[in-house]
Amino acid sequence: ETGVTQTPRHLVMGMTNKKSLKCEQHLGHNAMYWYKQSAKKPLELMFVYSLEERVENNSVPSRFSPECPNSSHLFLHLHTLQPEDSALYLCASSQYVGPRDTQYFGPGTRLTVL
Amino acid sequence: AQKITQTQPGMFVQEKEAVTLDCTYDTSDQSYGLFWYKQPSSGEMIFLIYQGSYDEQNATEGRYSLNFQKARKSANLVISASQLGDSAMYFCAMRESLISSGSARQLTFGSGTQLTVLP
Repeated sequence: ETGVTQTPRHLVMGMTNKKSLKCEQHLGHNAMYWYKQSAKKPLELMFVYSLEERVENNSVPSRFSPECPNSSHLFLHLHTLQPEDSALYLCASSQYVGPRDTQYFGPGTRLTVL
Repeated sequence: AQKITQTQPGMFVQEKEAVTLDCTYDTSDQSYGLFWYKQPSSGEMIFLIYQGSYDEQNATEGRYSLNFQKARKSANLVISASQLGDSAMYFCAMRESLISSGSARQLTFGSGTQLTVLP
């Protein structure tokens, strides 16, 4: 595997379900991110982890819970979601080197909440 | 005010021709970075090119070049010799300095331009 991988690629869940999204980066980076991409909206940054510590949480509802057990893995735990949470969830990673810090993205998980 | 503005929701270009995708940005920082990403229908965001605010020359990466006009706060992406595989959504993004944004890692994205390359 190379780059950033995400599983599953597609997920359909009911509002009462609990599920998790997984992201893995094979780039040796030290920072990982979760973004949400809704239809007709710009990408929204949800969480940032640097060296496995959460450094940003952009007012995301508590029904989204991130976990970063090590620098290569990032999870997004989902519970009691709402239909408006249906979106493409993108994971990214980067190696912070100052202004040129470039984020590399995974293929995304397309989530549908019924 | 929006930090990143992409005024072209959709663009069409004939195969093998060049196309320019517009991006203007708003920041009071002196140090910032500008990025372009490509998103095909599969969903993955693919990094294309980077321009630093202090870079004296316009960035180039293969068929991609960035027309950076600092005084006008514009960072237009130029794709030369368009190919059918270039059909995708294109996003301009900016990262401001640590001091102003509170984070060295926050990327702000524009709303994107859907490019269609015609055979």
